Amino acid sequence: KAGVTQTPRYLIKTRGQQVTLSCSPISGHRSVSWYQQTPGQGLQFLFEYFSETQRNKGNFPGRFSGRQFSNSRSEMNVSTLELGDSALYLCASRWLGVSSYNSPLHFGNGTRLTVT
Amino acid sequence: KNEVEQSPQNLTAQEGEFITINCSYSVGISALHWLQQHPGGGIVSLFMLSSGKKKHGRLIATINIQEKHSSLHITASHPRDSAVYICAVRSPNSGGGADGLTFGKGTHLIIQP
Repeated sequence: KAGVTQTPRYLIKTRGQQVTLSCSPISGHRSVSWYQQTPGQGLQFLFEYFSETQRNKGNFPGRFSGRQFSNSRSEMNVSTLELGDSALYLCASRWLGVSSYNSPLHFGNGTRLTVT
Repeated sequence: KNEVEQSPQNLTAQEGEFITINCSYSVGISALHWLQQHPGGGIVSLFMLSSGKKKHGRLIATINIQEKHSSLHITASHPRDSAVYICAVRSPNSGGGADGLTFGKGTHLIIQP
């Protein structure tokens, strides 16, 4: 079974630009969550999608958005990039029943975004 | 908002030693995760706990719900165990569901041969 796939692996953007990152979950997993990791703040939760609906959202500005498609693939978008958005962005998928909230996470290898 | 504290922040030990990493949180949870991150960024989920104890190979994770505390133990440590170990918790929310994960800062473990 293929793991969680994130593309691209590396990205360099300029301040003010926007960026879109992609995440393909493990087959059968309908939940995809996104995380930002920086040396200063560590890992922080961005948002989680389940069956194309945003289920949870972390404490990030509206410049950070996401969506999920009917095949469970997810994208996250960051508009008007700032230097502080330089980070490793990780996504994770999990199998989740409609009324369950706890199951193991499977992480992708991340996209390393550098904003100059 | 749940506060997650891990200790120690850094740990260097000799091969074969018994390792303990601790995690405390401030608010009741629905689940606690232990994650392992190697240089290069990839994260592997080691355990998900809501009560009691779990064991996988040389790794053991325990949780005490009343004390809001969890420990990750590594027996017969090996240099390949060198990694960052991260504790994360999921809290129930007022809507009857659960929030996204809140993470500890991680424990940087180095096992010397």
